[in-house]
Amino acid sequence: AQSVTQPDIHITVSEGASLELRCNYSYGATPYLFWYVQSPGQGLQLLLKYFSGDTLVQGIKGFEAEFKRSQSSFNLRKPSVHWSDAAEYFCAANNAGKSTFGDGTTLTVKP
Amino acid sequence: DTEVTQTPKHLVMGMTNKKSLKCEQHMGHRAMYWYKQKAKKPPELMFVYSYEKLSINESVPSRFSPECPNSSLLNLHLHALQPEDSALYLCASSQAGVQPQHFGDGTRLSIL
Repeated sequence: AQSVTQPDIHITVSEGASLELRCNYSYGATPYLFWYVQSPGQGLQLLLKYFSGDTLVQGIKGFEAEFKRSQSSFNLRKPSVHWSDAAEYFCAANNAGKSTFGDGTTLTVKP
Repeated sequence: DTEVTQTPKHLVMGMTNKKSLKCEQHMGHRAMYWYKQKAKKPPELMFVYSYEKLSINESVPSRFSPECPNSSLLNLHLHALQPEDSALYLCASSQAGVQPQHFGDGTRLSIL
């Protein structure tokens, strides 16, 4: 079955530290891949997407993600986290128009 | 600024009431979506409209009835809802019906 797994339910990092959020997918073929962020009381915001080509994708708010076919992963990174990055992060995959979200990772930022 | 606008932001209704959720976008997107999101969970797809036609219905109960009057508007009509339908309802849009690009801030629905 097609699935998206975010292994970390909750991550805490200090402000200014680097961040990596993990995402693994299980699909027969490489799906389109996405990262969204959801701040409390708000809808989701698309951070970045991967369709094909360059495996390092740049997004908004200083985020980037790297697609690794061998590991079926699409991990999200940021070199220096800001307090405003505290939110819920969702990885998603889309294959043939069928979209699946991971369960999300809650990011807490310590001052 | 949110480019997808949802009204109302909050809605409390009884199980016998009829109400509607509204969603509007002016980005020229041709696909619009309704999602349901429970607390601490990812959004669950309910419906997708592509070029004003219903293209996906994820086996949603008939007490939820979507409507797309034109390419900018999307409604979700609610009737005889159950307490378990209490959730955040999100509208989204995209240029094509592949994956939502822009989400509204949602309507928080409570069923008494």
